[in-house]
Amino acid sequence: ILNVEQSPQSLHVQEGDSTNFTCSFPSSNFYALHWYRWETAKSPEALFVMTLNGDEKKKGRISATLNTKEGYSYLYIKGSQPEDSATYLCAFPNTGGFKTIFGAGTRLFVKA
Amino acid sequence: SQTIHQWPATLVQPVGSPLSLECTVEGTSNPNLYWYRQAAGRGLQLLFYSVGIGQISSEVPQNLSASRPQDRQFILSSKKLLLSDSGFYLCAWGVPSYEQYFGPGTRLTVT
Repeated sequence: ILNVEQSPQSLHVQEGDSTNFTCSFPSSNFYALHWYRWETAKSPEALFVMTLNGDEKKKGRISATLNTKEGYSYLYIKGSQPEDSATYLCAFPNTGGFKTIFGAGTRLFVKA
Repeated sequence: SQTIHQWPATLVQPVGSPLSLECTVEGTSNPNLYWYRQAAGRGLQLLFYSVGIGQISSEVPQNLSASRPQDRQFILSSKKLLLSDSGFYLCAWGVPSYEQYFGPGTRLTVT
């Protein structure tokens, strides 16, 4: 059974703080790793698709790194803003990509 | 561009009643389709996925079922709802190895 773990479960930061959280996944049979942003009352939206060991992706103040050998990915937010408040999900597609297992998410609260 | 529709947006149903949630996708052909559920305080749980018409894979034993009568239509059903079926249901479509695109979701409350 594939297990995708995310930590911490929730995080409270002040506006302007930089923060990061972790996604751990099985290092064997790696296919891809996805990050999603899920705001309250909306649908999850894809942030990054990461496929290569050492990958680093960036979108504005948000970036992510990938280590497939040890089975983890970090998501970083630089200078957090209240609008960054959301649940950040990582997802691990199985080989072939037909089935995706989601982590429980990290709930980020950014206080103004 | 692709669009995914889900309805209804919210639903309150008594225990033991039937359920039918519908999802349709526009702007793409032969998508992989998915049903997820988020129970209170928990992450997204994959319920069913489908790689084509009439092809359904079930991920967890439960009293729910899914059907795909047309290429871009995915239906989640139950004959008798349980209290534990309450949650937020999301339909998604995707291409293998790429990200998934989610519908607006259905908030189901079983009373």
